[in-house]
This record gives sequence, structure tokens and C-alpha cells, in this order.
Amino acid sequence: NAGVTQTPKFQVLKTGQSMTLQCAQDMNHEYMSWYRQDPGMGLRLIHYSVGAGITDQGEVPNGYNVSRSTTEDFPLRLLSAAPSQTSVYFCASIQPGGGYEQFFGPGTRLTVL
Amino acid sequence: AQRVTQPEKLLSVFKGAPVELKCNYSYSGSPELFWYVQYSRQRLQLLLRHISRESIKGFTADLNKGETSFHLKKPFAQEEDSAMYYCALKGGGSNYKLTFGKGTLLTVNP
Repeated sequence: NAGVTQTPKFQVLKTGQSMTLQCAQDMNHEYMSWYRQDPGMGLRLIHYSVGAGITDQGEVPNGYNVSRSTTEDFPLRLLSAAPSQTSVYFCASIQPGGGYEQFFGPGTRLTVL
Repeated sequence: AQRVTQPEKLLSVFKGAPVELKCNYSYSGSPELFWYVQYSRQRLQLLLRHISRESIKGFTADLNKGETSFHLKKPFAQEEDSAMYYCALKGGGSNYKLTFGKGTLLTVNP
């Protein structure tokens, strides 16, 4: 049971490039989310999904797209990277019922030059 | 709207001293409150949740609805408690979204 996995661990992009951050979970959780973590800003919700085929925007969705074709995978796509998107990105899935604990991935550290 | 405030960005204590990390929230309904912890070079993990009324690693937190607070306390801090701590709020019902505070970096000095 791998839990929540994220790839890559590190990435450097140039302004204007696009890329996809991968997230997968093997716990059959319906709810998944993406956060960005910035110094002094805490964790801010980018997008979330309550099940396959259903996604919605969080607090800071601009510049990001998501899709949820399967329960397991929830990729985050940067359309045209900007330096303001330099951050650490965390994917999480939630266990509904029994306390709603969120399980986090190890994070992806992204630098946009 | 739901909001979580952690007034201290940094908190430094000596080993064996009591520690209290403050968390205040704003929510019109009945919230569920959590504390998450991130040790150096590790992923975030749940420390405790108010509905469980449990003590984890010596930490406790009590929900005070009158003061809208959920402060995290430990009577005797240990060096291994050094980490970033986040308070988080979940709205009621089937809304799974968590709102996080900005975090408090706790350093326990020897």
C-alpha cells in the first residue's frame, strides 16, 4: 500500500513552459486535492475532486488545470508556467467518515525561472 | 466563509518547557478542527483531531467554541517536537475541503 505518490520530486521550468504534476493514490479515496505551500502563506487549495469526472476550483486555481478520469489519479497541469508558481505542491486524498483524515503525498518542489 | 488564524509564525522553547501553539478559527456552523504536523523533509501528517479528544505524542488540543480556539498544548516539549504545525478546519457535513492556517514553526532547543 503506497498511499499517495507524487512525481516528479523536483522540477525546474522556464517561464511559459507547461508540465503535468502526477498524483496517484491506492486507498480508493474518492476525494483528492492539490495544495501549494509557500513560506508565510501556509497551504492553499488549488483544485479538488470529489470523485472520477468531478473537479472544482479551490482558493488559487488560476494557471492550473486538473482532470480526474480515474479514482486513483489526479494530475495537475500548469498551462504556461510563471515565476509566481514556484512553490512546493502537495497532493492529498481524504478518508471520508471516521475523522476525515487527509493523507498527503511527499510533495513536488517546482522552480520556474 | 471559513478562516483559520495562527498568530505565531515562529515559536522557540527550551526542552522540558511547556508549549502552546495558538489557533483561532472563524466559521458560522459546527466546525471540525485538526492539527497537522510536518517534520523536516517529511510529508504532512495528521497529529490529532478534536472529535477524538485524544493525546498524541503528549500533545492535546481542546475546542473552545466560545473563544473559537483550538490551541495545541504539550506540558514538556522535546527536541523531536521541532516541526511546522498547521491548524486546519473542515466545515460541516459532506464538505471535505480543509482550510489551513499559515503554520507555526516550532523549535525546541536543547
